[in-house]
Amino acid sequence: EIVMTQSPATLSVSPGERATLSCRASQSVGFNLAWYQQKPGQAPRLLISGTSTRASGIPDRFSGAGSGREFTLTISSLQPEDSAIYYCQQCNQWWRVTFGQGTKVEIK
Amino acid sequence: EVKLVESGGMLIQPGGSLTLSCAASGFTFGSYAMTWVRQAPGKGLEWISYITTSDSAVYYADSVKGRVTISRDNGRNSLFLQMNSLRVDDTAVYYCARDVNGWSTFDHWGQGTLLTVSS
Repeated sequence: EIVMTQSPATLSVSPGERATLSCRASQSVGFNLAWYQQKPGQAPRLLISGTSTRASGIPDRFSGAGSGREFTLTISSLQPEDSAIYYCQQCNQWWRVTFGQGTKVEIK
Repeated sequence: EVKLVESGGMLIQPGGSLTLSCAASGFTFGSYAMTWVRQAPGKGLEWISYITTSDSAVYYADSVKGRVTISRDNGRNSLFLQMNSLRVDDTAVYYCARDVNGWSTFDHWGQGTLLTVSS
C-alpha cells in the first residue's frame, strides 16, 4: 500500500496570502496524484487531477505541481471560502488508491 | 447534471448486515467505473472498494476484504455495497463516487449516507 503523508496538519493563512500544502508518497506515483477539497458537512470535491490539471469550475488560484514522491497544492491568493480540509490521493495504484490524512486550511 | 444519491445507512448492531445503494443520474452510468469511500466521524477519507464498468473486476481495501461485496446494475443506474459482519469501526459516512478517467480520479461524489454500528 502506498502511504500518503500530508503536511502541515493545519495551515493558518491571511486572506490574500499564498498557501502551500505538501503531500509525500511512500513510493513514486509518477504524475498520478489528485487533490480534493472538503468543507464541513459536504462531500469531497475534486480540485486537481494528474498532478496539475484543474477540474471543471476550479478557480485558477489553485495549482498543483510535483512528480514522483513529492507534490504541492498552492492557493495563490487565499479567499475566505477556501477554508476547508484538503486531501491528496494517489491514483498510480488505481485499483487500491490511498488518501493523505488531510491538511486543514484556516483563515487567519 | 451528474447526480449520485446514496441510501441505506442506518443504526445497526455489531455483526449485522446491510446493503448501501447509490442511485446515479445525469450520465451514462455503465460507461464509468465507480467506487465507495468512507469517512469515520472526525477522520479522513478511506477508500474501500472499486468496480469497473462492466463489473468485470472488483477491488477491496484490506480493512473490508471478505466482509463487503461491491456490485452494480447498469440497467438500473445503481451501485451497491453489501456489508456483512459489521464492526463498530465500520461506523462512517459512506460516499459513492464516479471515476472520471479509469484511473481512480473521482470527479463526482454523492452526499453520503451514515452507517452507525453500535449496540
